[in-house]
Amino acid sequence: AQSVAQPEDQVNVAEGNPLTVKCTYSVSGNPYLFWYVQYPNRGLQFLLKYITGDNLVKGSYGFEAEFNKSQTSFHLKKPSALVSDSALYFCASSDGGATNKLIFGTGTLLAVQP
Amino acid sequence: EAGVTQSPTHLIKTRGQQVTLRCSPISGHTSVYWYQQALGLGLQFLLWYDEGEERNRGNFPPRFSGRQFPNYSSELNVNALELEDSALYLCASSLRQGGSPLHFGNGTRLTVT
Repeated sequence: AQSVAQPEDQVNVAEGNPLTVKCTYSVSGNPYLFWYVQYPNRGLQFLLKYITGDNLVKGSYGFEAEFNKSQTSFHLKKPSALVSDSALYFCASSDGGATNKLIFGTGTLLAVQP
Repeated sequence: EAGVTQSPTHLIKTRGQQVTLRCSPISGHTSVYWYQQALGLGLQFLLWYDEGEERNRGNFPPRFSGRQFPNYSSELNVNALELEDSALYLCASSLRQGGSPLHFGNGTRLTVT
C-alpha cells in the first residue's frame, strides 16, 4: 500500500540557518512526490513536485527537495530560513499517474525563530 | 487566474443535521477532490470526481456523498452529522493528466455541536 511518513512533528530552526523537513515514502512503481505548505486556517499551497528526471527539484519561495531512490526519501530543504516560512508542511505521493489523488504524510510544523 | 473557491467558509450544525459544502475548481480543471482535515487525524481523502463521475472513494461511511456538475463544480453532502465530523473540509482541483498537482481552496470549517 502507498504511504508517506514524516518522522518529525516539529522542526525548529533559527532564521538564516538552513532547514530540512524529512519525508520518506513507500510506493510501488515510480513515485510521484509533492510538497505542500499550509498556513493557519488556509488551504494547502503547492511548493514542488518530483515526477522524473533530476533528483534535485526546485520550487516556490526558494524551497527545493532531493529525491533519493535508495533511501526512499524526498526531503524538503531551504538554504536560509525566514520567519515567514513558519507553517505546516505536508509531503504527499500519488500512484504514478493512474490518479492524481494524493496520500499525505502527517505534517511537520516548522518554527523559525528570529 | 481564479483559484479554487469553497463556500461557506464556516458552518455550525447540530448532531443529526445535514450539510452541503460547495466547491468551484480552477477553470480548465476537470478533476475535483475532497479531503477532511480533522484535529489529530491529518488529511484524509474523501472523494474524487472527474468528468461528472465519482472515480474513487476514501474510507468514509456512505453518509458522506457528493456530486460533480457539468461545469465541474462539486458538492459534498454529509448526512446525519456526528460530533467527529467537525473538521476543515478541503476541496482541490487538478488537470486530469497524471502528475498534475492538486490546487486547494481555503476550506470550509464545519463545527458540529
